[in-house]
Amino acid sequence: KNQVEQSPQSLIILEGKNCTLQCNYTVSPFSNLRWYKQDTGRGPVSLTIMTFSENTKSNGRYTATLDADTKQSSLHITASQLSDSASYICVVRAGIGGGNKLTFGTGTQLKVEL
Amino acid sequence: NAGVTQTPKFQVLKTGQSMTLQCAQDMNHNSMYWYRQDPGMGLRLIYYSASEGTTDKGEVPNGYNVSRLNKREFSLRLESAAPSQTSVYFCASSGQGAGTGELFFGEGSRLTVL
Repeated sequence: KNQVEQSPQSLIILEGKNCTLQCNYTVSPFSNLRWYKQDTGRGPVSLTIMTFSENTKSNGRYTATLDADTKQSSLHITASQLSDSASYICVVRAGIGGGNKLTFGTGTQLKVEL
Repeated sequence: NAGVTQTPKFQVLKTGQSMTLQCAQDMNHNSMYWYRQDPGMGLRLIYYSASEGTTDKGEVPNGYNVSRLNKREFSLRLESAAPSQTSVYFCASSGQGAGTGELFFGEGSRLTVL
């Protein structure tokens, strides 16, 4: 069964600090992996997509990494801001052989405090 | 740009009542989806429509029906609401088929069944 596990479940950091969120998956065959940000009371919004050949991709203060061999991804947030407080969801898409289906992680709840 | 619009945003039902959640997108996307989000669980797919005129069951379709009214609109109906259907419902759309497929989500509809 395809699974996506995220850690930690929740995290509290001080404004200006860095943090790293983890995503481990057992989706096969792998097509791509997306990180979504979900603000409280809003729908998820895509931050970045990682395909099989990509190791690192940045979007402003967000940097995602992918290790396809170990089936792990991370999302690093640099110089956190209060507006980074949100749930971060890892979503893995299976390839055509896996029905092109999406498997969602349960998210990491990040709170940035003053 | 409106993106994906869901109505209503909040609804309280009694057990056994029926209701329809409406969703419309203005991005000319072919694919549309209905998800539910419950605490501690990842987003779960209820139904999806890969293109106008087609609908398919997702992971948790029991107790729901859908209608792809046209390319823009995709509605979700609860015929006889149960407390287990208390959840936040998200509509999403995607413009790419078997490709990278970014999902664009609505703001969510918060449903409570008493």
